[in-house]
Amino acid sequence: AQTVTQSQPEMSVQEAETVTLSCTYDTSESDYYLFWYKQPPSRQMILVIRQEAYKQQNATENRFSVNFQKAAKSFSLKISDSQLGDAAMYFCASKGEMNRDDKIIFGKGTRLHILP
Amino acid sequence: DAGITQSPRHKVTETGTPVTLRCHQTENHRYMYWYRQDPGHGLRLIHYSYGVKDTDKGEVSDGYSVSRSKTEDFLLTLESATSSQTSVYFCAISESVRAENTEAFFGQGTRLTVV
Repeated sequence: AQTVTQSQPEMSVQEAETVTLSCTYDTSESDYYLFWYKQPPSRQMILVIRQEAYKQQNATENRFSVNFQKAAKSFSLKISDSQLGDAAMYFCASKGEMNRDDKIIFGKGTRLHILP
Repeated sequence: DAGITQSPRHKVTETGTPVTLRCHQTENHRYMYWYRQDPGHGLRLIHYSYGVKDTDKGEVSDGYSVSRSKTEDFLLTLESATSSQTSVYFCAISESVRAENTEAFFGQGTRLTVV
């Protein structure tokens, strides 16, 4: 079974500093994707970054980057130069293909506070 | 933005009544999902569909049923609503893992209150 674990319910970071959100996952799939989603107070779910499991290079999107450790099944999100607009709930998710049924499983989320 | 619409956006209903939430997409994506979001639990998968009339249970499927008679529509039904089903419900769509863009696209959510 797929599982995704986010062990930090809440985190705080000073504006302009760097913060890392943790995520571990478990899957028996050989072909899978990992994602980080952001959910601001508007409740909208926004894709932040994605990582293909077969790619060793860590994904990067502007100030957002991941540290993908496949053997350890770890997928952390690093936010550099934190901005007030980064305050949100962040969800880690995995998607694997099992018997042609692509489930997407989410962690419980980490609420990120940005301190001015 | 991906063409995905949930209706209604808000609903208050009484315990014991049936409720149907609708998800409509214009993207022709194969996969559709229903999640519920509750504080401390993140997003939990209720049911999902991998094609017309092809559905399967997620981790919290008790008390819910789904139907998908057309590619574009995925209905979630609460047969007899209970207070424990008060939640925010999200619909999502995606393509296969083998597609170029395989991430989930989400609707705006439905806040359901069962009184």
